[in-house]
Amino acid sequence: RKEVEQDPGPFNVPEGATVAFNCTYSNSASQSFFWYRQDCRKEPKLLMSVYSSGNEDGRFTAQLNRASQYISLLIRDSKLSDSATYLCVVNLLTDSWGKLQFGAGTQVVVTP
Amino acid sequence: GAVVSQHPSWVICKSGTSVKIECRSLDFQATTMFWYRQFPKQSLMLMATSNEGSKATYEQGVEKDKFLINHASLTLSTLTVTSAHPEDSSFYICSASEAFFGQGTRLTVV
Repeated sequence: RKEVEQDPGPFNVPEGATVAFNCTYSNSASQSFFWYRQDCRKEPKLLMSVYSSGNEDGRFTAQLNRASQYISLLIRDSKLSDSATYLCVVNLLTDSWGKLQFGAGTQVVVTP
Repeated sequence: GAVVSQHPSWVICKSGTSVKIECRSLDFQATTMFWYRQFPKQSLMLMATSNEGSKATYEQGVEKDKFLINHASLTLSTLTVTSAHPEDSSFYICSASEAFFGQGTRLTVV
């Protein structure tokens, strides 16, 4: 079983619409959570951390459900530039970045 | 600007040859760097943790004699893929923390 599982998509989203997707993680000891975006053939870029109370960064909203072991990402008012693969990442350690577990990503395609 | 610079961004090499990938921290000193590998449509997988001045820590299943890591200074870590085979073709990425990733190196072994 994968440590972090994501729906690979693609999620085809009309420009201006809202899209949301989840990821599940298997290790209940996971300490911190992140969403990254990765463009084709590029390195991942940190999009936002995910906090227990949920958090928002502009058009992006992230939620964490520790009881059910999933995190979610919602993108409002989708832009063409939001087309990318979104990686769900969990960290098993509190004092090091050496145990990041990456999901395989959810592809989002925003169409005109 | 980029705070972790990785070079080369892509390389094609023949089977049996070795390839060195460099990862530099530009604005800070990194005592630890992480090397990942990503196959198409798969997740990034941690290969090893590079520690300045000491031996790297390899993840289970990663051959330390094949993937040589050197972290001789606080700003440079290198990964050398020795005796490369076509199955080593992948996207190799270094990072210094959760926010600082190199640009990645796409290795193709022919």
